[in-house]
Amino acid sequence: NAGVTQTPKFRILKIGQSMTLQCTQDMNHNYMYWYRQDPGMGLKLIYYSVGAGITDKGEVPNGYNVSRSTTEDFPLRLELAAPSQTSVYFCASSLSGGGAGYEQYFGPGTRLTVT
Amino acid sequence: TQLLEQSPQFLSIQEGENLTVYCNSSSVFSSLQWYRQEPGEGPVLLVTVVTGGEVKKLKRLTFQFGDARKDSSLHITAAQPGDTGLYLCAGWHAGKSTFGDGTTLTVKP
Repeated sequence: NAGVTQTPKFRILKIGQSMTLQCTQDMNHNYMYWYRQDPGMGLKLIYYSVGAGITDKGEVPNGYNVSRSTTEDFPLRLELAAPSQTSVYFCASSLSGGGAGYEQYFGPGTRLTVT
Repeated sequence: TQLLEQSPQFLSIQEGENLTVYCNSSSVFSSLQWYRQEPGEGPVLLVTVVTGGEVKKLKRLTFQFGDARKDSSLHITAAQPGDTGLYLCAGWHAGKSTFGDGTTLTVKP
């Protein structure tokens, strides 16, 4: 049981390039989330999904896209990377959306630098 | 947009001291969670509080949810160097979470 895995762990992009951050969970969780965390700050929700085929915007969705074709996978796509997207990106999953006992399990993060 | 304000942002204390971290909002949340994050890792859940006025204890950590479910506090008794880390609160509403900006705690031996 690997939990939530993210790839890559580190990436440097040039301005205008695109990339996909991969996220996979093996806990059969319905809910999956993408957050970004800037230095010294909390987590900002980018996109989330309540099940395969269903996605919705979070607090900071501009410049990102997601898809959820399977329960296990929730990739995050960056189009036309900008320096403002330099951050640490965390993927998380949970059995349900909040409430007692519904813990979010986080992946180890992807450190992205855009120069 | 629901906002959660955490205070203080930074806290540096000596081993054995007590401390309280606050998480405040003008919005009502269906539940609130506290996480702890180590450098280079993802957050790890400490506790979830659901009922207004609820108090939960986890060893030396005491968590309280405000009566109106708009605020919460984390109290640590006799802090130890192992308590050092970033503490985050997260409020839940309609299946989405809103995180505070965190409190960086340093406990000196």
